[in-house]
Amino acid sequence: ILNVEQSPQSLHVQEGDSTNFTCSFPSSNFYALHWYRWETAKSPEALFVMTLNGDEKKKGRISATLNTKEGYSYLYIKGSQPEDSATYLCAFDNYGQNFVFGPGTRLSVLP
Amino acid sequence: DSGVTQTPKHLITATGQRVTLRCSPRSGDLSVYWYQQSLDQGLQFLIHYYNGEERAKGNILERFSAQQFPDLHSELNLSSLELGDSALYFCASSVDGGLYSPLHFGNGTRLTVT
Repeated sequence: ILNVEQSPQSLHVQEGDSTNFTCSFPSSNFYALHWYRWETAKSPEALFVMTLNGDEKKKGRISATLNTKEGYSYLYIKGSQPEDSATYLCAFDNYGQNFVFGPGTRLSVLP
Repeated sequence: DSGVTQTPKHLITATGQRVTLRCSPRSGDLSVYWYQQSLDQGLQFLIHYYNGEERAKGNILERFSAQQFPDLHSELNLSSLELGDSALYFCASSVDGGLYSPLHFGNGTRLTVT
């Protein structure tokens, strides 16, 4: 059974703090890893698709890195803002057949 | 707006009943995925259709079935409903079900079984 883990489960930071969280996935048969942002009362929105070992993607203050050999990806948020409060999900892309989602990291940014 | 439409938004029904959830994918997307999110659980994969054909199946109960029609919309049928089937059901679409395409999610259908 393919298992995707995320840590921490939840995180509270102050506005302006930088933060990061981890997604762990099987290192064998890697195809792609996706990050999604899920705001309360909305649906998940795609942030990044990571495909190559050493990949680094950036969108504004949010960036992500990928290590396929050891099976982890980091998501970084620089200078957190209240509007960054959301659950961040990673998903292991199983060759497009299905996506196995981690349980998510719930981020709360306090003003 | 992701472009993925799910109906209805809310559904309340009794145990033993049957319901149909509907999903219209983004224009041009050939793949439709169904996910279930129960209380305190993450997104659990149910089934994936690509251009009308079943491509992958997850831990979908035998009481549940799905199909994708020629116009690419999809329906998830849940029968002999039990209290434990209460959940948020998401549909997501992607361009081709591969080639690193991200998923685009609908707003979900919240099913309550009483």
